[in-house]
Amino acid sequence: DTGVSQDPRHKITKRGQNVTFRCDPISEHNRLYWYRQTLGQGPEFLTYFQNEAQLEKSRLLSDRFSAERPKGSFSTLEIQRTEQGDSAMYLCASSSGEWGYNEQFFGPGTRLTVL
Amino acid sequence: AQKVTQAQTEISVVEKEDVTLDCVYETRDTTYYLFWYKQPPSGELVFLIRRNSFDEQNEISGRYSWNFQKSTSSFNFTITASQVVDSAVYFCALSPSSNTGKLIFGQGTTLQVKP
Repeated sequence: DTGVSQDPRHKITKRGQNVTFRCDPISEHNRLYWYRQTLGQGPEFLTYFQNEAQLEKSRLLSDRFSAERPKGSFSTLEIQRTEQGDSAMYLCASSSGEWGYNEQFFGPGTRLTVL
Repeated sequence: AQKVTQAQTEISVVEKEDVTLDCVYETRDTTYYLFWYKQPPSGELVFLIRRNSFDEQNEISGRYSWNFQKSTSSFNFTITASQVVDSAVYFCALSPSSNTGKLIFGQGTTLQVKP
């Protein structure tokens, strides 16, 4: 088991550009989460998938953000028309089980810098 | 409101000292889970412990111990005989009763253990 992987690890973009991040969870984990972490803060929940269904979205997730998990395996997070305030570390986590209280395994994150 | 507060932003100790990291949470749920995660300089969040709201027994794992007190809504973490490798950011997190399992993190406490 290789753990949760994220790609790319770093992304530098100019304001107004679109970016897409990918997360590959631990195989057979049915639950997948996206969080955002800014410097000196704890991660903030963005969205949650159970298999391919997106079941919860935070109010932090503006209309410029969209996430998918098309086959219940990997997930993508897209940010359109990036703003400087989007600069952060984007973390993906996965877990298994019928109930949502199991340990979440986190990936290394994608660090986004918007110039 | 669901909230986690880690009042200690930074703690610095000398190796072999004991150190306690404080965590206070707010929730109206009767069923919830509490977690501690470690974020070493490499950046990847590592799970340390999970506790459910019905189990107030303290737990010890090697040099780590956790004290859960519902009466004060606290879930404190103690490292005994700290080591340089314990240097990291430690996050306390709350998972409310919804079945999504999303985590609400505190701001984190940066622990520096000096040789």
